Amino acid sequence: QQPVQSPQAVILREGEDAVINCSSSKALYSVHWYRQKHGEAPVFLMILLKGGEQKGHDKISASFNEKKQQSSLYLTASQLSYSGTYFCGTEQAAGNKLTFGGGTRVLVKP
Amino acid sequence: NAGVTQTPKFQVLKTGQSMTLQCAQDMNHEYMSWYRQDPGMGLRLIHYSVGAGITDQGEVPNGYNVSRSTTEDFPLRLLSAAPSQTSVYFCASSYSAGDSPLHFGNGTRLTVT
Repeated sequence: QQPVQSPQAVILREGEDAVINCSSSKALYSVHWYRQKHGEAPVFLMILLKGGEQKGHDKISASFNEKKQQSSLYLTASQLSYSGTYFCGTEQAAGNKLTFGGGTRVLVKP
Repeated sequence: NAGVTQTPKFQVLKTGQSMTLQCAQDMNHEYMSWYRQDPGMGLRLIHYSVGAGITDQGEVPNGYNVSRSTTEDFPLRLLSAAPSQTSVYFCASSYSAGDSPLHFGNGTRLTVT
């Protein structure tokens, strides 16, 4: 079951904030976040395991609401380098397959 | 360390031809997987493996075969190529499924005419 991401695209000015959401209809064990630049492979940002923890990576952080089967990625004070497509990946049980959402395109303008 | 190595980088096939996309990792990762990415789309799981000798189907397995005879290698076979299989294929590996980061190869761009 693929997770659903929203919004599909967002345009920001440098320094602005954005939130990307990822939701599943099934219970989740873990949520991954990756960023992909055009023509490149996806690059790992962070993993959240069930338990409602929040993690951060520079000015990019994420939360995981296990009860709602949702995760959110927060881009704070966005930089030009934050441009790319962000994917969430979800796993329903430990040792199971990781499936990805359709992606959110982020464009940060000067 | 090389990480995850995919070959070839580009390939053009005619409809009906078969070929194998190679994937190798040198990180002693147990979990390996294949995804395809169509233009402007997300990553769709084709097949995955949680260890040598163990493989399972993902979301879009039809038309593809895999095997995992060693920890390092996870080749993807296209049995009879079709234009619908035109895509970018990514191999990825991780220490274990779900709770460790996926490391992606650089991708293979496949065109089927």
